[in-house]
Amino acid sequence: AQSVSQHNHHVILSEAASLELGCNYSYGGTVNLFWYVQYPGQHLQLLLKYFSGDPLVKGIKGFEAEFIKSKFSFNLRKPSVQWSDTAEYFCAVADSGGYNKLIFGAGTRLAVHP
Amino acid sequence: DGGITQSPKYLFRKEGQNVTLSCEQNLNHDAMYWYRQDPGQGLRLIYYSQIVNDFQKGDIAEGYSVSREKKESFPLTVTSAQKNPTAFYLCASSTNTGSYEQYFGPGTRLTVT
Repeated sequence: AQSVSQHNHHVILSEAASLELGCNYSYGGTVNLFWYVQYPGQHLQLLLKYFSGDPLVKGIKGFEAEFIKSKFSFNLRKPSVQWSDTAEYFCAVADSGGYNKLIFGAGTRLAVHP
Repeated sequence: DGGITQSPKYLFRKEGQNVTLSCEQNLNHDAMYWYRQDPGQGLRLIYYSQIVNDFQKGDIAEGYSVSREKKESFPLTVTSAQKNPTAFYLCASSTNTGSYEQYFGPGTRLTVT
């Protein structure tokens, strides 16, 4: 069965620090990958997605992610975080079995201090 | 405004009672999903439905039931058979065109004592 691993469960940064959140998936075939974000008290929303093409994907609010097929990774990055980036971040992979199912990682809770 | 609504936001029940969580969408999406979110475990799929009158079990369906009588609605019943029902429940929807992008509701926090 496919799985998604997020290496860091809690990350604490100061404003202006750079961010990289790790995500590894288990499936070796064609993958569709996602990062979702859940801000405190808000809906889970899509940050960015990768289906094909340029492995460097840009999302909302200055976030980007790089798909590295050889490493089965899809790490999320932001060069300079803000206090408003405090949230929980989830990596997800589309289930190869179809049915539009997503498999989510355990999430990384990011706290940014002013 | 298009979106997904879940009600209520907070729900409290006594152990042994069944409870139904509401999920409605006006995005004209064919597919709908129910997830359970627990701290440190991410989102786990309970049930999903690709089309009206059809639904499939997800990874943790035991103790839950659903119905899909209308395209817009996908209610989830947490039965007394669910051993650990206290959790945050998220409903989502998507098209069936292969984009895989899911849109989420605000969630219902269920507490069973």
